[in-house]
Amino acid sequence: DTGVSQDPRHKITKRGQNVTFRCDPISEHNRLYWYRQTLGQGPEFLTYFQNEAQLEKSRLLSDRFSAERPKGSFSTLEIQRTEQGDSAMYLCASSELGREQYFGPGTRLTVT
Amino acid sequence: KQEVTQIPAALSVPEGENLVLNCSFTDSAIYNLQWFRQDPGKGLTSLLLIQSSQREQTSGRLNASLDKSSGRSTLYIAASQPGDSATYLCAVRPNTNAGKSTFGDGTTLTVKP
Repeated sequence: DTGVSQDPRHKITKRGQNVTFRCDPISEHNRLYWYRQTLGQGPEFLTYFQNEAQLEKSRLLSDRFSAERPKGSFSTLEIQRTEQGDSAMYLCASSELGREQYFGPGTRLTVT
Repeated sequence: KQEVTQIPAALSVPEGENLVLNCSFTDSAIYNLQWFRQDPGKGLTSLLLIQSSQREQTSGRLNASLDKSSGRSTLYIAASQPGDSATYLCAVRPNTNAGKSTFGDGTTLTVKP
């Protein structure tokens, strides 16, 4: 068990470009969560999966955002046509049903 | 809509002092509450999880309590050390055990040597 990993750790992109982030959860965890965090704020929920099913999406997740978890393993979060307001830390977490959430190190996105 | 508040936003104490961090939430229909610490620019590290049926949890120098009816949780840190300096966040999960957790904005703790 190596914990939750995220890739890349940092991403700088120009406005209008698409970006994709990857999260690898703890292997036996059936739940996977995505959050977004800006400076000085707590994480805001974006979406979560139970196995491969996406069960809830926040209204923060506009149509430019899409997340997948094929085969209930790793997950990807894609942002299309990035905007400066998308600059944030994107955090992934995983858990067993009803148990503690364990977070990855995050992906820092900067949109210039 | 669940709202989570952590007061104060920042706290500075001398090394060795015992301290309490506060977390309040507006909807008492929760499944569990989890405390985390976050170092600058890093992810969140889980400290303690309290299920809605529990009153407290302890881990080393940390003790977390939960009063669901009043919508409050506290994190007690005994004999604080400079290495405890970080931002402490609490998160509540609704009693549907849905995936969505609502976080407070955290308390930034500085322990001075």
